[in-house]
Amino acid sequence: NAGVTQTPKFRVLKTGQSMTLLCAQDMNHEYMYWYRQDPGMGLRLIHYSVGEGTTAKGEVPDGYNVSRLKKQNFLLGLESAAPSQTSVYFCASSNAPGRRVDTQYFGPGTRLTVL
Amino acid sequence: GQNIDQPTEMTATEGAIVQINCTYQTSGFNGLFWYQQHAGEAPTFLSYNVLDGLEEKGRFSSFLSRSKGYSYLLLKELQMKDSASYLCAVRGQNAGNNRKLIWGLGTSLAVNP
Repeated sequence: NAGVTQTPKFRVLKTGQSMTLLCAQDMNHEYMYWYRQDPGMGLRLIHYSVGEGTTAKGEVPDGYNVSRLKKQNFLLGLESAAPSQTSVYFCASSNAPGRRVDTQYFGPGTRLTVL
Repeated sequence: GQNIDQPTEMTATEGAIVQINCTYQTSGFNGLFWYQQHAGEAPTFLSYNVLDGLEEKGRFSSFLSRSKGYSYLLLKELQMKDSASYLCAVRGQNAGNNRKLIWGLGTSLAVNP
């Protein structure tokens, strides 16, 4: 049981390049989330999904797109990377139905630098 | 607006007790979480409070007062490995966001020998 995994762990991009971050969870969780974490800003929600085939905007969605084609995977895309997107990206998942506590479990993070 | 306040930094001594406070102002309330985050790592779940009172889990306890919009995390018998950032997060109760958490900026705790 690996929990939440993220690929890649590190990446350096040039301005204007595109990339996709992959998140996978093996806990059969319904809900998945993408956050970015910057010094002094805390965790900020980019996009989230409440089930397979659904996505919704979070607090800071501009410049990012997401897809949830399979329940276990949640992809975060950067179409044209900008230096302002340099950050640590965390994926998380949670399972609400029937659970008293809807705890979010986090992946190890992807450290992205945009030059 | 919605807001969570925590002290930015705290320092304590190995073996001692430390209390990290969190105050919140949110649109509705449906639970408060505490997470621990070591430098360079992901946040990990510590505790959850939805009713007033104290929840104890080993060396860690968390307290909630909904009427005061206040919680604290109590760490006993501090160890060096407790040096980390402690994040307070609140889940509101509006239908559109009841799965989303509002995060504090975290309290960086340094435990000294």
